Amino acid sequence: GQQVMQIPQYQHVQEGEDFTTYCNSSTTLSNIQWYKQRPGGHPVFLIQLVKSGEVKKQKRLTFQFGEAKKNSSLHITATQTTDVGTYFCGYGGSQGNLIFGKGTKLSVKP
Amino acid sequence: EPEVTQTPSHQVTQMGQEVILRCVPISNHLYFYWYRQILGQKVEFLVSFYNNEISEKSEIFDDQFSVERPDGSNFTLKIRSTKLEDSAMYFCASRSYEQFFGPGTRLTVL
Repeated sequence: GQQVMQIPQYQHVQEGEDFTTYCNSSTTLSNIQWYKQRPGGHPVFLIQLVKSGEVKKQKRLTFQFGEAKKNSSLHITATQTTDVGTYFCGYGGSQGNLIFGKGTKLSVKP
Repeated sequence: EPEVTQTPSHQVTQMGQEVILRCVPISNHLYFYWYRQILGQKVEFLVSFYNNEISEKSEIFDDQFSVERPDGSNFTLKIRSTKLEDSAMYFCASRSYEQFFGPGTRLTVL
């Protein structure tokens, strides 16, 4: 089946720095979803993108879906310690089941 | 805010034993899912359930696994004869638009 690749696997930033994680697929995706998992926690839905070239913002988070619907990015401006966690991208299958990438683990040094 | 609940939070079992993991999805949701996450790895889809039957399953979900909705509220995952490699965090999720994940059951097979 389709897979999504995420880079980088790990990112260490100083508080206040920006952070970006990328999600790539070899095939066109009908949608892309982003989830955040805090250490020891469960995945929590952030956003879903469905349109080519779509850009959505949530406070300091900016999500993009590529024109070809094969890639997506999540950008965090001015990271805070509360942003720590693993960010997963994934796409929804025909039954809504999520196929996740391996995630990007973000650590933030205060 | 409604949430998905899971019991137990931690299950320790001997190899070859049967385990049943329990979930109570959000009450007005119609789609239910099980995922697993081996320590430090990505979240992997196991099975989706809709209208009292399996609607999709992954290659991980072999004959050792079964799901059931025994009443109007519970949703269970049974592993018939556990193996060491079944040790993982198992997440239940339910969906209306986005998926809501439960806190997970950590299964340890000795």
